[in-house]
Amino acid sequence: EADIYQTPRYLVIGTGKKITLECSQTMGHDKMYWYQQDPGMELHLIHYSYGVNSTEKGDLSSESTVSRIRTEHFPLTLESARPSHTSQYLCASSSMGNTEAFFGQGTRLTVV
Amino acid sequence: AQKVTQAQTEISVVEKEDVTLDCVYETRDTTYYLFWYKQPPSGELVFLIRRNSFDEQNEISGRYSWNFQKSTSSFNFTITASQVVDSAVYFCALSEPLGGNEKLTFGTGTRLTIIP
Repeated sequence: EADIYQTPRYLVIGTGKKITLECSQTMGHDKMYWYQQDPGMELHLIHYSYGVNSTEKGDLSSESTVSRIRTEHFPLTLESARPSHTSQYLCASSSMGNTEAFFGQGTRLTVV
Repeated sequence: AQKVTQAQTEISVVEKEDVTLDCVYETRDTTYYLFWYKQPPSGELVFLIRRNSFDEQNEISGRYSWNFQKSTSSFNFTITASQVVDSAVYFCALSEPLGGNEKLTFGTGTRLTIIP
C-alpha cells in the first residue's frame, strides 16, 4: 500500500492566482516526481528530485517550480495560473535504483 | 533517447474475453527496466509489474500475464477472462539508468473498456 498523498484532489482557480499543489510521502523515498497528464491520457515528466535540495526540470517545459526542503515533501507552485495550466498533476516517489514509482491520487486543476 | 509506444489507444472487449495490450520500446542501453501501471477512473496509477532487461521469463499473476521479448523490443500484457473491474487506462513504461538518475518514460496509454 503506497503512502503518498496529494492535496487538494480538485482545484478550480481564477487566472493570475498563485497556487501550490502539495505532495507528501511517508516511505522515506529519496526520489520524487511531478507528472502532468493531458486529458488525452499522456503523462509528461515536468520536475523531479533525487533528494533534499535537489530539483531538476523534466522532459516537458513547465512554468511551475518545485522545492525539496524535506525528504517527505515536494510541493509544486504556479506563481500565476493560466487556463493553459488546466490539467491533472500526479506526484510520485521511489527509492534509489530502478524500483517502481508509487503515485498519489493526483490533483485535477482547472484555471478559469 | 528512450521511447515507449502503445499503438492501441482504445480497446473494448466483452466480459470474459481475453485481451492483450501491446507495448514496444526503444532504448540504446543494455540495462533497463520495464513497467506496467493501471490507472482506474479514480486517477492514481497502480503499479502492476517491473521486469529488468536480463530477465526474459514470462510472468503470470492470476489473470494477468506478461510476455517480454527482447528480440522484438516488446513487453505485452494479457488479461485472461476479463472483468468489468479491469476497465482502466494501462500504461507501459521504461526506465534507463542514467548515471544513477533513472527516469520513467511512459507510453501514451491504452484505454481498456470491458463491456458487461
